[in-house]
Amino acid sequence: DIQMTQSPSSLSASVGDRVTITCRASQDIRNYLAWFQQKPGKAPKSLIYAASSLQSGVPSKFSGSGSGTDFTLTISSLQPEDFATYYCQQYNIYPLTFGGGTKVEIK
Amino acid sequence: QVQLVQSGAEVKKPGASVKVSCKASRYTFTSYHMHWVRQAPGQGLEWMGIINPSDGSTSYAQKFQDRITMTRDTSTRTVYMELSSLRSEDTAVYYCARDGVHIDSWGQGTLVTVSS
Repeated sequence: DIQMTQSPSSLSASVGDRVTITCRASQDIRNYLAWFQQKPGKAPKSLIYAASSLQSGVPSKFSGSGSGTDFTLTISSLQPEDFATYYCQQYNIYPLTFGGGTKVEIK
Repeated sequence: QVQLVQSGAEVKKPGASVKVSCKASRYTFTSYHMHWVRQAPGQGLEWMGIINPSDGSTSYAQKFQDRITMTRDTSTRTVYMELSSLRSEDTAVYYCARDGVHIDSWGQGTLVTVSS
């Protein structure tokens, strides 16, 4: 199975900060990488697919980059509604696998 | 707007089975695969398997291979996930998630609690 490693596992940031989360795959997954946001008690929400394509309706403050094994999710200016846990997921090969999550908290 | 509405919370005893449903609406049911993903309390996301509603074909994670069954009913636009031989470690929220080429929509989740 492909292992997905996210870092950091948690971070504290202030409103208005630029935040970057990284995700590393244990083998080449081309650009078959998605990012999800999850708030407590809620279902995940799809943010980005194909490493850098924004899901319909997702604000442009979210951006993704990378290919192969190294990927990043960037939030350009953190807002109160962005405090959540973020997961990466590879869909190049079954079984689909997720990163362990990055919890973004208020500083 | 795509809708995936799951069945309600369940409490089961160890060794029992549970069947969770996911009713789809507002899109062509047979044009999108459906995943099942679970999340244990305080933990991350775990992929369980996928079903093609068009022909009913499935692919399961090896971890669940011998005790999971995914089915669909095209007349009611519903997919089902049945997990048998439940143990305490199966306590989790179970999600269905729609997939065209990638996951784009999720159900609201179904809490399954396994307790004696």
